[in-house]
This record gives sequence, C-alpha cells and structure tokens, in this order.
Amino acid sequence: QKEVEQNSGPLSVPEGAIASLNCTYSDRGSQSFFWYRQYSGKSPELIMFIYSNGDKEDGRFTAQLNKASQYVSLLIRDSQPSDSATYLCAVNPGGYQKVTFGTGTKLQVIP
Amino acid sequence: DTEVTQTPKHLVMGMTNKKSLKCEQHMGHRAMYWYKQKAKKPPELMFVYSYEKLSINESVPSRFSPECPNSSLLNLHLHALQPEDSALYLCASSPGQGVYEQYFGPGTRLTVT
Repeated sequence: QKEVEQNSGPLSVPEGAIASLNCTYSDRGSQSFFWYRQYSGKSPELIMFIYSNGDKEDGRFTAQLNKASQYVSLLIRDSQPSDSATYLCAVNPGGYQKVTFGTGTKLQVIP
Repeated sequence: DTEVTQTPKHLVMGMTNKKSLKCEQHMGHRAMYWYKQKAKKPPELMFVYSYEKLSINESVPSRFSPECPNSSLLNLHLHALQPEDSALYLCASSPGQGVYEQYFGPGTRLTVT
C-alpha cells in the first residue's frame, strides 16, 4: 500500500529555533511533494512544493527532498508562535491527478 | 490570485434534506477536487474533475453527487446524508497538465442532524 508517514507530534520548539518536520513515503515512483500548513478549524494552505532532489528555500521555509532515501523534510527557521499548526506532507505518485496525505505533524512554538 | 471560494461556510441539514455545496476558482486551473476532512485527520479525497470530466471517484456513496458545470465551478449535491457525514468539506484546484500543487478553499463545515 502506498503510504506517507509523519510523526504526529506534538513537536515543541522554542521561539526563534529551527523546527524540523519529516516525512517518508513508500512509493519509489513518487515525483512531486508538497507541504501544507493547517491551523485548527481552517483549511490546508500550500506553503512549499518540491519536485527535484535537493533543497528549495522560500523565506524562512526550506524543503529538502532525498528520493534515494524516500524522505522529504521541511525546515522552519526562526520559528514563531504563529507557526504553531499541523503540517501535512503530501506526495503525488506520478501520472495521477491526486496526492496522498500524511497524517500530519502538530508543531507547537513556545514563546 | 490563488483563491478558491466555497459557499456556504456552514451548513446544518437534516437527514432528509437536499442541499448543495459550491466551489469556484478563477485561476484557470483545469483540475478540481472535493475532499472530506474529519477532526484530527488528513483530508480524504472524494472526487477529482480534470478538464470538466470526472476522472476519479474514490468509491464515495451515491448520496454525494458531484457536478462540474464549467471549468471554474464545482458543486457537490447532498441527499439523505447520515450524521457520520458531518465534517469539513474542502474544495481544491490545481493547474493540471502535470502540475499537481493544489490550492484549497476555506471549506464548508457540514453538520447532519
């Protein structure tokens, strides 16, 4: 079964620290990878996507992809209390107009 | 503009009612999606429309009926729902043509009584 796995957390980090969120996936043919942020009671918001091995940076966010090891991670630098949310990893297996979501990691940034 | 709109924001309906959820996007996206999300769970895919044709139905009960009147609009018709269908219903769109990042609307909070 094709799966996307995340640690459910909560992951607690102090304000100003780097938060590191990890995601592994089982389908080796997966081609595109997404990170969504979801605040409680709100809809998911796309914050990063990455298609190629390596790092992709956008402001305080860096997505890292390692296809050989089948993991994708999200780093949040200078974490703020407003970053406290659930972060969903999503993977597209390639060739299909759908993604598989992980169960999400809850991040708590402590002031 | 990466906005997907959904109406209504909240809906309470009885098990014998018929209602519809609406979704609209003006980003020129060619794929649109309906998801159902329960508390503390990830979104669960229900339907995918690609170029206005239903391309994926994730074995959703027939009491949920999707419709795509045009490339900007997506409806979800609801009939004879059960209390366990109470959830957040999310619409999303993506560009299509091999580009899969999805943008979500704010959702409709549905309560079935």
